[in-house]
Amino acid sequence: EAEVAQSPRYKITEKSQAVAFWCDPISGHATLYWYRQILGQGPELLVQFQDESVVDDSQLPKDRFSAERLKGVDSTLKIQPAELGDSAMYLCASSLERLNTEAFFGQGTRLTVV
Amino acid sequence: AQTVTQSQPEMSVQEAETVTLSCTYDTSESDYYLFWYKQPPSRQMILVIRQEAYKQQNATENRFSVNFQKAAKSFSLKISDSQLGDAAMYFCAYSLGGGGADGLTFGKGTHLIIQP
Repeated sequence: EAEVAQSPRYKITEKSQAVAFWCDPISGHATLYWYRQILGQGPELLVQFQDESVVDDSQLPKDRFSAERLKGVDSTLKIQPAELGDSAMYLCASSLERLNTEAFFGQGTRLTVV
Repeated sequence: AQTVTQSQPEMSVQEAETVTLSCTYDTSESDYYLFWYKQPPSRQMILVIRQEAYKQQNATENRFSVNFQKAAKSFSLKISDSQLGDAAMYFCAYSLGGGGADGLTFGKGTHLIIQP
C-alpha cells in the first residue's frame, strides 16, 4: 500500500542550528501539506503546495522556516536557526487533488531542540 | 478565521459499548468539509469519516457515524461496538472547499480509551 514517506523519524538538534526534514508523497499526489503538531495539540498547517507552487504559507514563520518542492514531487522543510519552541512533530500529508479528497499522512518527524 | 473546538480531552468507554465524541466549529462559510481523523500511538493519522456541508444526510462508515448539525455548527462522532483497536487520539477537522487553499484546521483532539 502506498504511503507518505518522511525522514528522519527523529531529530535532536541544538538551538541555533539548522535542521531539515524530507517528505515523499504518494505517487501522483499533486497536493502536499506540511503540518506542525505540538505535544497535546492538533496539527496546524504550515504550508500547502499544489505541484511545485505554494498555495498557502500564511502560517509559516518565514523568518526561520522555508519549504520547497522543486520538481513538484518530494519536499523539504527547513528551519534555520532552530529555537526551543520548535520542538514538535512535523507531519507531511498529500492528496490527489485540492478539492478536499482524502489527505494521507506520513508518520512524521519528531524534532527536539536542546 | 475558522476554529474547531473539541471539549472532551479524554473519553473512556467499555469494549462493545457506544461512545460519542463532540466537536463544534466556527465559520462564516456555507460550503466546507468536516472530517474525523484517528491518530493511534506512534502511527500515522488516518481518515475515519468525512462530511460535506451541503449534504444533509449524515455520513456513516461501518461502526462510525456522525451527527452533523449545520445550524448549530456541531459535528459529533459516534463509535458503535467499540473495539480495543479504536483506542487513539481523535481529531475533528475542517476544510474549505471550492478549489482554494484547503489545508485542514484541527481541534485539540480527544483521547479515547477503550476498557476491556
